[in-house]
Amino acid sequence: DADVTQTPRNRITKTGKRIMLECSQTKGHDRMYWYRQDPGLGLRLIYYSFDVKDINKGEISDGYSVSRQAQAKFSLSLESAIPNQTALYFCATSDSNRGHTGELFFGEGSRLTVL
Amino acid sequence: GQNIDQPTEMTATEGAIVQINCTYQTSGFNGLFWYQQHAGEAPTFLSYNVLDGLEEKGRFSSFLSRSKGYSYLLLKELQMKDSASYLCAVMDSNYQLIWGAGTKLIIKP
Repeated sequence: DADVTQTPRNRITKTGKRIMLECSQTKGHDRMYWYRQDPGLGLRLIYYSFDVKDINKGEISDGYSVSRQAQAKFSLSLESAIPNQTALYFCATSDSNRGHTGELFFGEGSRLTVL
Repeated sequence: GQNIDQPTEMTATEGAIVQINCTYQTSGFNGLFWYQQHAGEAPTFLSYNVLDGLEEKGRFSSFLSRSKGYSYLLLKELQMKDSASYLCAVMDSNYQLIWGAGTKLIIKP
């Protein structure tokens, strides 16, 4: 089983619908992140959380919200999906106890299509 | 603004050596990272450089020059399984990772 699990892996939805992407991890890491990846662009940070009660906006947080329900769970919501939110979404974790925190462990990705 | 530049695509031959370059302009520097991403899969960590010089790890090496804002990833004895995208990322002064768009490496027999 994967250490960082995302559900669903694929989702097709319609404009205006509410969508939740879920992420759970068994690595015991304290930090969790949500990124989106679009062709020709680098990974872009949506939100990140350094602990259960810590939520921080990333580069492109508009139109998204998150919830850190437990250390192991971090969910991403699109309150009213729009077509330009069609992308591949990755959840990632890192461990603040490591020498550096740039080593991220990614989930397998959730491909979202908004029609 | 912050910027990471790397070539969009490169082609190399099985058994050969390839160098993938990355140049960066960021607000501060707290390390440079290389990740490998096979098509349809998640990125996986390859290497980390924070001091100038070469870090070697098996067939892969990564070099950093902070004064030039430059890094490269060197892949030796290329194998077909090395066909993937290689992502360069820099950690800025706020300890945020800034990502390049990635270099797609195509290996030909």
